[in-house]
Amino acid sequence: VIWMTQSPSLLSASTGDRVTISCRMSQGISSYLAWYQQKPGKAPELLIYAASTLQSGVPSRFSGSGSGTDFTLTISCLQSEDFATYYCQQYYSFPWTFGQGTKVEIK
Amino acid sequence: QLQLQESGPGLVKPSETLSLTCTVSGGSISSSSYYWGWIRQPPGKGLEWIGSIYYSGSTYYNPSLKSRVTISVDTSKNQFSLKLSSVTAADTAVYYCASIPIAAAGVVGFDPWGQGTLVTVSS
Repeated sequence: VIWMTQSPSLLSASTGDRVTISCRMSQGISSYLAWYQQKPGKAPELLIYAASTLQSGVPSRFSGSGSGTDFTLTISCLQSEDFATYYCQQYYSFPWTFGQGTKVEIK
Repeated sequence: QLQLQESGPGLVKPSETLSLTCTVSGGSISSSSYYWGWIRQPPGKGLEWIGSIYYSGSTYYNPSLKSRVTISVDTSKNQFSLKLSSVTAADTAVYYCASIPIAAAGVVGFDPWGQGTLVTVSS
């Protein structure tokens, strides 16, 4: 099983801030990593796959980087609609696993 | 545009079997371009992958649930299903179905997701 450590678990920020979320793997996964956004009461939505490829329709202020064991999701200029919980997920090997989540809240 | 919708009982008694169906619209479940999967989320907690299936019937399960899980596909109805046996209160969660697109370099994650359905295990 590949264990994932996502940090921070809670991030307080203001509109316009640049925020970064980290996801660290217990072993290398190449670039087989996805990032999701989940708003309260809604299903998660895919933001980024293959560590850095933006899903169609996702604003360009979202970006992903990393490979191997260390990955980062960056929101360059936080907008009001970005306050949500973010999850990373590896699909390098079964069982596919998710990070614990990062809640981005209004400061 | 692919859309998925979960259906099934919202309340299941302990020790019984949880059964959910995911209906796919806007595309064929027999497409070679997708896997199909189930994910769950206990109230206030994170996401857990339950398992995935290909239209051919090949299945992949989370070892933590493997002894209790069966995922199947019904191509005639464009649906796939989840059965989880011997449920306990710990299985109370929102259950999501999702498609898993397959690109040239492999799968790309879960997209899109169904809206989710809350299943409560209680007597």
